[in-house]
Amino acid sequence: GQSLEQPSEVTAVEGAIVQINCTYQTSGFYGLSWYQQHDGGAPTFLSYNGLDGLEETGRFSSFLSRSDSYGYLLLQELQMKDSASYFCASLRGDSSYKLIFGSGTRLLVRP
Amino acid sequence: DTAVSQTPKYLVTQMGNDKSIKCEQNLGHDTMYWYKQDSKKFLKIMFSYNNKELIINETVPNRFSPKSPDKAHLNLHINSLELGDSAVYFCASSQDGSGEDTQYFGPGTRLTVL
Repeated sequence: GQSLEQPSEVTAVEGAIVQINCTYQTSGFYGLSWYQQHDGGAPTFLSYNGLDGLEETGRFSSFLSRSDSYGYLLLQELQMKDSASYFCASLRGDSSYKLIFGSGTRLLVRP
Repeated sequence: DTAVSQTPKYLVTQMGNDKSIKCEQNLGHDTMYWYKQDSKKFLKIMFSYNNKELIINETVPNRFSPKSPDKAHLNLHINSLELGDSAVYFCASSQDGSGEDTQYFGPGTRLTVL
């Protein structure tokens, strides 16, 4: 089957660092994406890992370990505006490519 | 300039009705998608079109029928609406559907079936 697991909720303080973990079971796995969604808004792309290792984009970094079927999103210097839901999504490719989304992690940043 | 737009933003209707949601992208992308996000925020792909051709059709009731008149538009028609169809429907587009291309989501259409 296809499944992704991530924590349902994480709370952190402004200025801190938070890591959101994601484990996956996806046949035909190609890579792992991360999307951010504010309440009432649309998912927006944050990062993609097609290879093992760390990808850094500003305050956000994402990591993938294929051997462990595991990835994480690291958010540094947290700001209040980072309060949102974060989704990991595995890219599955067999006859066609599609994203399989996790259930999302709600991040609450406190002052 | 809106990259991916959807209409309407809100849709409230009675069970049994037929309704359509429209989506347009001005990014010049070849691939468009429909996703459904339920009340628990679980986001699931429904359909994908590449250059007007259906390439992904997930296990979706045949009451749902997508239609792509050209590669910039992907509409979703739903027949005989049921309570369980209540959700937010997102349209998205990507450059070529190669998988590693970024998907850009529209603002969503919140459908409420009474």
